[in-house]
Amino acid sequence: ETGVTQTPRHLVMGMTNKKSLKCEQHLGHNAMYWYKQSAKKPLELMFVYSLEERVENNSVPSRFSPECPNSSHLFLHLHTLQPEDSALYLCASSQDPRGGSHYGYTFGSGTRLTVV
Amino acid sequence: DQQVKQNSPSLSVQEGRISILNCDYTNSMFDYFLWYKKYPAEGPTFLISISSIKDKNEDGRFTVFLNKSAKHLSLHIVPSQPGDSAVYFCAASAKNSGYALNFGKGTSLLVTP
Repeated sequence: ETGVTQTPRHLVMGMTNKKSLKCEQHLGHNAMYWYKQSAKKPLELMFVYSLEERVENNSVPSRFSPECPNSSHLFLHLHTLQPEDSALYLCASSQDPRGGSHYGYTFGSGTRLTVV
Repeated sequence: DQQVKQNSPSLSVQEGRISILNCDYTNSMFDYFLWYKKYPAEGPTFLISISSIKDKNEDGRFTVFLNKSAKHLSLHIVPSQPGDSAVYFCAASAKNSGYALNFGKGTSLLVTP
């Protein structure tokens, strides 16, 4: 399988639940990202991992907890979420741009999360 | 504070005509600009990009124009096809800001037969 794969595609969870989103890339990229897309808002960067180390966290609430066990896999652990956290969560990967070159991201299809 | 703005949430164009999608930015440090296309239930896919050292980049039916003095870029699609109907996101990055791609809110393009 190629590209960036996200599972599940849809998730409905209660505010007291704990769930995890999974992202897998088969592109040989060494940087991975979590983005959040809410209605009528731009894509918001949540977390960045490069070579499995977290290098950026855009002040995301602690109820979102990322994990990057290797360069091909990225998780987003969710617990005690709020209804306003309902959104499309997108995973992306790229080559590490710190080398001075720009690379576009390859996105997964996203997980549509609904918190009830 | 939103640094990349797409002020038109939607655009409707007749098949065969030109589609022009606009994007404005505020950060003068941005030096690379990208357009992504998104169909429903799919992630955004890369469409075309332009470096700040250029003012035009062309790829088939798609051309991106960059006006640095106006901090404005546009995507032209000629001729437009019904399959081009999607949401188009403008994104920008700065070499000295690490990773972040800053996205606009997107413009929904509808190409009618």
